[in-house]
Amino acid sequence: DAGITQSPRYKITETGRQVTLMCHQTWSHSYMFWYRQDLGHGLRLIYYSAAADITDKGEVPDGYVVSRSKTENFPLTLESATRSQTSVYFCASSVSAEVDSPLHFGNGTRLTVT
Amino acid sequence: GDSVTQMEGPVTLSEEAFLTINCTYTATGYPSLFWYVQYPGEGLQLLLKATKADDKGSNKGFEATYRKETTSFHLEKGSVQVSDSAVYFCGANYGQNFVFGPGTRLSVLP
Repeated sequence: DAGITQSPRYKITETGRQVTLMCHQTWSHSYMFWYRQDLGHGLRLIYYSAAADITDKGEVPDGYVVSRSKTENFPLTLESATRSQTSVYFCASSVSAEVDSPLHFGNGTRLTVT
Repeated sequence: GDSVTQMEGPVTLSEEAFLTINCTYTATGYPSLFWYVQYPGEGLQLLLKATKADDKGSNKGFEATYRKETTSFHLEKGSVQVSDSAVYFCGANYGQNFVFGPGTRLSVLP
């Protein structure tokens, strides 16, 4: 029962570089989400996806790109990293959009942009 | 808009003390309510949930009751342990919008 796997766990990159954070889930959940966690801001939704090839913006999408060509994968790309994108990134999944469906989280990727 | 408010931390308790972490939500629609726990270096783990008014969620000695009249979902535990030290997040699922509180850090001292 692998659940949700995020990679890498830690990443250091330089300003202006492109970086991709990976997320893979084994449950075949329809919905997937990307959050960032910052001190003083809690968890903020970046993007979410209702199914393969369907994505939508969350609260803080600027500077990020997502894709979902397969149900189980939901990569997050920072096209030109900035220091303000230093954060811990969490991927999550959910069976459906029903209100009683909980989110299931990965262990996160700690990204540092220098 | 939809939002969740939690008591500010950090909260420091001695082992075997009683724990309450307050949580309130905005009464837009009829959300399901959740408590998540985050241990250092890990993601959020579902602790308990309640899907309708007066429902009580419980797990590992923690419990919370969905109070529609006060729009609250306070987390309680009768006797905390050192291993309960973590950050606790209250969350509300309004359907297409899952909203979290800012988190409350709990430290339990032996």
